[in-house]
Amino acid sequence: GAVVSQHPSWVICKSGTSVKIECRSLDFQATTMFWYRQFPKQSLMLMATSNEGSKATYEQGVEKDKFLINHASLTLSTLTVTSAHPEDSSFYICSARDPVNYEQYFGPGTRLTVT
Amino acid sequence: RKEVEQDPGPFNVPEGATVAFNCTYSNSASQSFFWYRQDCRKEPKLLMSVYSSGNEDGRFTAQLNRASQYISLLIRDSKLSDSATYLCVVNTGFQKLVFGTGTRLLVSP
Repeated sequence: GAVVSQHPSWVICKSGTSVKIECRSLDFQATTMFWYRQFPKQSLMLMATSNEGSKATYEQGVEKDKFLINHASLTLSTLTVTSAHPEDSSFYICSARDPVNYEQYFGPGTRLTVT
Repeated sequence: RKEVEQDPGPFNVPEGATVAFNCTYSNSASQSFFWYRQDCRKEPKLLMSVYSSGNEDGRFTAQLNRASQYISLLIRDSKLSDSATYLCVVNTGFQKLVFGTGTRLLVSP
């Protein structure tokens, strides 16, 4: 099946710093990618829909100025957590939609810990 | 009310047992339905799509009841490797997936 990669797989950062997470579709071009967040023992929550060449669409309650999304190419979307705080510590997962079969393929996730 | 509701479990079953998970969804306009499997600290992986006519994939059988807005997953002959969290997922439109909190399954020897 299709492969989606994320980098880094885990990151520890200090409060107040910014962290960038990359999501790449390795064997197909994805005009649409999605960013999710999962807190312990909770479900995945969609944060935003990333569209290549246009602005991301954020879900209600997600601060667009805090979670910056850039989808500059058909194989790469980035999520930057700006001025991270301990409450931003979570498992961030991206997915890429295959334009042929519309199936979403998930990346392996990035575990962010803010100290 | 949550958009997708599942019993969080855990369901503790012995190897070889049959176990069933249920899920309800609130948006009657939902278009497609899935079961995903998520292992601890890993990303979710698609287990199977769910169709109104019901579908089977080996030991796994999924059913959809649109009238009752209810989805089920049946696992027969449970294996140790089936231990995971099973996520009920609904596509509410525009490819937006809404995830349930998951049902945890523990299969013991």
